Amino acid sequence: KAGVTQTPRYLIKTRGQQVTLSCSPISGHRSVSWYQQTPGQGLQFLFEYFSETQRNKGNFPGRFSGRQFSNSRSEMNVSTLELGDSALYLCASSFIGTNYGYTFGSGTRLTVV
Amino acid sequence: QQQVKQSPQSLIVQKGGISIINCAYENTAFDYFPWYQQFPGKGPALLIAIRPDVSEKKEGRFTISFNKSAKQFSLHIMDSQPGDSATYFCAASKGGGGSNYKLTFGKGTLLTVNP
Repeated sequence: KAGVTQTPRYLIKTRGQQVTLSCSPISGHRSVSWYQQTPGQGLQFLFEYFSETQRNKGNFPGRFSGRQFSNSRSEMNVSTLELGDSALYLCASSFIGTNYGYTFGSGTRLTVV
Repeated sequence: QQQVKQSPQSLIVQKGGISIINCAYENTAFDYFPWYQQFPGKGPALLIAIRPDVSEKKEGRFTISFNKSAKQFSLHIMDSQPGDSATYFCAASKGGGGSNYKLTFGKGTLLTVNP
């Protein structure tokens, strides 16, 4: 059974650019959540999608956005990148739409220079 | 506002010893408390989880102890092995319906088990 797949694994972007990260959940999982992981702030919740609807959003600026497609795949977008956006972005999926039993992907390492 | 406080930040244990990591939470609405294990270059993996209706849950060498009145829970790793060396995160969430489908994580504990 394939796990949660995140692409790309590594990304280097310039300040001011925008970036799109992709997440393919485990087959059959309809809930996808995104987290930002940094050494200073740890793991912080970005947003959660279930059946193409955003159900919850963390305390991040509007530059961070996401969406979910009908096949449950999800993307997150960060516009006008700042140096502080450098982080590991993790996607997690769940079958029944709660955060019980989340499975995380290996993440996308974003570096903003 | 840090809703889940985790300690210690780092821990060094000898092989065969007991590793203990503690967490405290503030929000009494939390009703699901998982522990995650993360190896370098990987995402966090669910290790074990507990609900507040039980005081202890054991899975193999891993045990969660839960104290609802003190709003604290801890992870005990018995017979610690070098392969257990990783970063451990406690987390908490409000379950069920509504819009609170998010995990609030502690800052993590870097565990090193010396051979």
